[in-house]
Amino acid sequence: SQTIHQWPATLVQPVGSPLSLECTVEGTSNPNLYWYRQAAGRGLQLLFYSVGIGQISSEVPQNLSASRPQDRQFILSSKKLLLSDSGFYLCAWSAEEGEKLFFGSGTQLSVL
Amino acid sequence: GDSVTQMEGPVTLSEEAFLTINCTYTATGYPSLFWYVQYPGEGLQLLLKATKADDKGSNKGFEATYRKETTSFHLEKGSVQVSDSAVYFCALSDSGGYQKVTFGTGTKLQVIP
Repeated sequence: SQTIHQWPATLVQPVGSPLSLECTVEGTSNPNLYWYRQAAGRGLQLLFYSVGIGQISSEVPQNLSASRPQDRQFILSSKKLLLSDSGFYLCAWSAEEGEKLFFGSGTQLSVL
Repeated sequence: GDSVTQMEGPVTLSEEAFLTINCTYTATGYPSLFWYVQYPGEGLQLLLKATKADDKGSNKGFEATYRKETTSFHLEKGSVQVSDSAVYFCALSDSGGYQKVTFGTGTKLQVIP
C-alpha cells in the first residue's frame, strides 16, 4: 500500500533562517506531488506541483522553492524565512491519472 | 479563476444532531467536487466526491449532491457523532492535465456528547 511521510511535524524558526521540509512517498511510482500551505483562516493554497523528477511548477510567487531530486521525494525550501511564511504545510500525492489526493500529516511552521 | 466558498465555523452540535455545511463554487469548466476531512493532528483525507452534475457522493453517513444549477455541494449527515469532530474542506479540481485542487477555507465541526 502507498504511504506518504512528511517531517518534521512542528518547526519553530527565526526570521531569516533557512528552511527544508521533506516529503517522501512509498508504494507508488511516478506520482504527482504537491506542496500546499494552510494559513490561519484561509483555505489550502497550492504552492508547487511536480509531475516528474526535476519538473517543478510554481503556482504563486513567493519566498519558497521546491525540488524533486528523486521520483518519490519532494522538498520545500527557503533561503531566508519571512514572518509571513508561518503556516501549516501539507505535502500530497496523486496517481498520474487519478483525481484523489493523498495527504501527509503536515508541518506546523512558526516563524518568529 | 476557480474558487470555493464554504460556511465559516466553528460549528458546534450535540451528538445525533443533523449537520449541514454549505459549499458553493466558481469554475469555468466542469469540475469534480470533493469533501476532505482533517481529524485533529492528521493530514487531510478524502471523504467523498462527485464528478458530474446530480451525482451524489456518500461515505460514513455523509452525503453531498453536485448541484450545477446552484453551483453547490453541501455536506450533510443525519446524525453526527463525537468522532465526527474535525475540519471539513470543500474542494474542486479542474480538468487540467494535472490534478490541481482548489480548496475552501475549511469548517471546523465540534460535536459534544
